[in-house]
Amino acid sequence: DQQVKQNSPSLSVQEGRISILNCDYTNSMFDYFLWYKKYPAEGPTFLISISSIKDKNEDGRFTVFLNKSAKHLSLHIVPSQPGDSAVYFCAAREYGGSLGNLIFGKGTKLSVKP
Amino acid sequence: GAGVSQSPSNKVTEKGKDVELRCDPISGHTALYWYRQSLGQGLEFLIYFQGNSAPDKSGLPSDRFSAERTGGSVSTLTIQRTQQEDSAVYLCASSLGTGHTEAFFGQGTRLTVV
Repeated sequence: DQQVKQNSPSLSVQEGRISILNCDYTNSMFDYFLWYKKYPAEGPTFLISISSIKDKNEDGRFTVFLNKSAKHLSLHIVPSQPGDSAVYFCAAREYGGSLGNLIFGKGTKLSVKP
Repeated sequence: GAGVSQSPSNKVTEKGKDVELRCDPISGHTALYWYRQSLGQGLEFLIYFQGNSAPDKSGLPSDRFSAERTGGSVSTLTIQRTQQEDSAVYLCASSLGTGHTEAFFGQGTRLTVV
């Protein structure tokens, strides 16, 4: 039973346009969400995070939106650049009760075309 | 070192042999995670260490898998009697703790069981 779901395995976007990567979760105890980017043959690198007390967090071209009622978060990349082409993983952590391990989605492969 | 270090970077082993994968976390990080990524799959949680607490082993796929973390620092993931389905990239990550902090990943160990 997947607690973190990324339903789109791939996404193709034109350079300069907006990329929107979506993530849904089922566990209402998740209170911290993260996005990671992964290039081939490299480990994932942290991109941006958001606490459940917020609904938006922005860092340069990257913005993460959290809709707790819908148990949905999204990552917006504006404007998209060819170097953004990578696999993006959504991750969530449950506060308190669990030991806090990160649960990852299966990833969305983003291709930004010049 | 500055980042999470994993060794070896690549490992080819014969079916039935045991393997050990090593992870050196970032100095001062109390939390350490092991994940694996099989071909075409997302990040699968294996095991999580936090300080001196008992590890969360809920993600280990079978009793052939075990992990230790000595002195709260270096961790070793051991796979006994390897099978072909164990072939994957094994990723280690560390973080400051269970609070709202991101986890930093190593480059991974690519394990191939032939």
